[in-house]
Amino acid sequence: AQSVTQLGSHVSVSEGALVLLRCNYSSSVPPYLFWYVQYPNQGLQLLLKYTTGATLVKGINGFEAEFKKSETSFHLTKPSAHMSDAAEYFCAVRSGGSNYKLTFGKGTLLTMNP
Amino acid sequence: DGGITQSPKYLFRKEGQNVTLSCEQNLNHDAMYWYRQDPGQGLRLIYYSQIVNDFQKGDIAEGYSVSREKKESFPLTVTSAQKNPTAFYLCASSMFKGLYQETQYFGPGTRLLVL
Repeated sequence: AQSVTQLGSHVSVSEGALVLLRCNYSSSVPPYLFWYVQYPNQGLQLLLKYTTGATLVKGINGFEAEFKKSETSFHLTKPSAHMSDAAEYFCAVRSGGSNYKLTFGKGTLLTMNP
Repeated sequence: DGGITQSPKYLFRKEGQNVTLSCEQNLNHDAMYWYRQDPGQGLRLIYYSQIVNDFQKGDIAEGYSVSREKKESFPLTVTSAQKNPTAFYLCASSMFKGLYQETQYFGPGTRLLVL
């Protein structure tokens, strides 16, 4: 069975600071990994995904994530936070192949220090 | 403009009432999904459908029903058997590429509240 753990349900940063949101997964087969962002009362928007190939993945809005198989991690980073980054972020894993199921972490709420 | 639409944005349910949430997509995606989101719990899969006239239960299907009569539509009915229906409901869709499911894209959601 696959699972996702997001360390830290709430992260607060100042504008211009580094954003680091942690995601660890378990999967019995090579995983596909995703980060989604959700603004209040809206649906989920895809930030970036890893399927195969290069382990450093760049996404929208300046975010990137690195797939580390040895650490079973897929942490999301952004060098310099902007006020508009305040939102909830979800990491998800899907086993490769025709498996339909996305398993989501419980989410990390990113807030900006005033 | 391609995308996924969900209606209504807010829905109120009375005790013992069945309510239906609409989900439509014009992305020509094969597969469609329904998720339930509760605060602090992430998203949980209710039902999914890979092709027309076929659907499977997800992790929390009890108290819900679906149909897939058209490729672009996947309505979800919350029945009176669902005792705790208050939640944010998200519909998603994805395409098959060869044998593989592609990325899931999400609609804007419907918030269901109990009167």
